[in-house]
Amino acid sequence: EADIYQTPRYLVIGTGKKITLECSQTMGHDKMYWYQQDPGMELHLIHYSYGVNSTEKGDLSSESTVSRIRTEHFPLTLESARPSHTSQYLCASSESFGLNYGYTFGSGTRLTVV
Amino acid sequence: AQSVAQPEDQVNVAEGNPLTVKCTYSVSGNPYLFWYVQYPNRGLQFLLKYITGDNLVKGSYGFEAEFNKSQTSFHLKKPSALVSDSALYFCAVRAPSNYQLIWGAGTKLIIKP
Repeated sequence: EADIYQTPRYLVIGTGKKITLECSQTMGHDKMYWYQQDPGMELHLIHYSYGVNSTEKGDLSSESTVSRIRTEHFPLTLESARPSHTSQYLCASSESFGLNYGYTFGSGTRLTVV
Repeated sequence: AQSVAQPEDQVNVAEGNPLTVKCTYSVSGNPYLFWYVQYPNRGLQFLLKYITGDNLVKGSYGFEAEFNKSQTSFHLKKPSALVSDSALYFCAVRAPSNYQLIWGAGTKLIIKP
């Protein structure tokens, strides 16, 4: 998956810690998304953004927050991690114009909270 | 309301046999339809899409899908399965008036040697 980058790929962290998952894309896409996915399971939209300074909560309630200060950057923050946050987090982007119509995904961050 | 159904949690196919992964959808207007594949511990990779035109679309890795408007289906097919095709497959739909993709629950495809 080129052009959209997520860091770290894997993270093991203790309960109560604050964490930020990074997502950056170089395609100039105006729309960005965060999904939560348990291994081998369906995708759950937790946040999305249709442009700078625009963020919305998704279908699945999440204790995380996001920001979109720059077009290319869409970080996700957990103020106090809990074991229930253990999951894979996928970032994606899409464009309003052009012929792609679909999403481009990052490689994901697998988060384990102990 | 828009929705996507992948009726099979898992599909098992012997290597060399044809495979089909099913997808049906419900959306207002003419749909944009997609298939993505996910390998373990990875993000989703685009396989193919239907936007308009020929109902049979060809994609990556020898996969194809047929858009059937009357049956509101978009089944993924491959004439001869490979062990390396084993992965999780997601169908998604989008209405032209909506930017968000609606996802199916995914189908695990297992190809046995």
